Amino acid sequence: LAKTTQPISMDSYEGQEVNITCSHNNIATNDYITWYQQFPSQGPRFIIQGYKTKVTNEVASLFIPADRKSSTLSLPRVSLSDTAVYYCLVGDTSPFSSGSARQLTFGSGTQLTVLP
Amino acid sequence: GAVVSQHPSWVICKSGTSVKIECRSLDFQATTMFWYRQFPKQSLMLMATSNEGSKATYEQGVEKDKFLINHASLTLSTLTVTSAHPEDSSFYICSARSSDTQYFGPGTRLTVL
Repeated sequence: LAKTTQPISMDSYEGQEVNITCSHNNIATNDYITWYQQFPSQGPRFIIQGYKTKVTNEVASLFIPADRKSSTLSLPRVSLSDTAVYYCLVGDTSPFSSGSARQLTFGSGTQLTVLP
Repeated sequence: GAVVSQHPSWVICKSGTSVKIECRSLDFQATTMFWYRQFPKQSLMLMATSNEGSKATYEQGVEKDKFLINHASLTLSTLTVTSAHPEDSSFYICSARSSDTQYFGPGTRLTVL
């Protein structure tokens, strides 16, 4: 299972773009990169998932360089309600994989604090 | 995205009693579900992988006789904390996979007095 490294914390201000970078040097060929958001006393919420290049949805963008050894979650124009812990996970999420290859292991996450 | 529910959302029990937590996939079937535990200010730790129709796979250090897992159908997995003690107080979260994405339940806060 690929290990991930993220900054422990980040501060930002309302309206700014926030970029959180995650390192995953030993990512495997079949691994996808998934980002989750977690508020206190809630389960993690899926934000975005990608395999390579760039993925964008209605809430975030995910940038993945060609070597896939890192990824960057980009949150445009953050608000106070975006204050949360953000987790980067790497794993084989294919429905055709089996056993331990399908587990997602959580790293320490990044505590994002958005200030007014 | 897919929806995973948990019940109860919180429970308080006396030391020595057993507590059952349910995890359901509401709009999809899941042959595999995962159980995590999260202590305050810490990340989620995988406890076990629940497999429909077969025995669960436990992570190293997790007592299978204390944390009983049953995955009797494609939409329901249960975690029973037997003979609970105060150190078992934690936030328990389940997850299930739909297509290529893993979705998490809202969590269950267990407090053992």
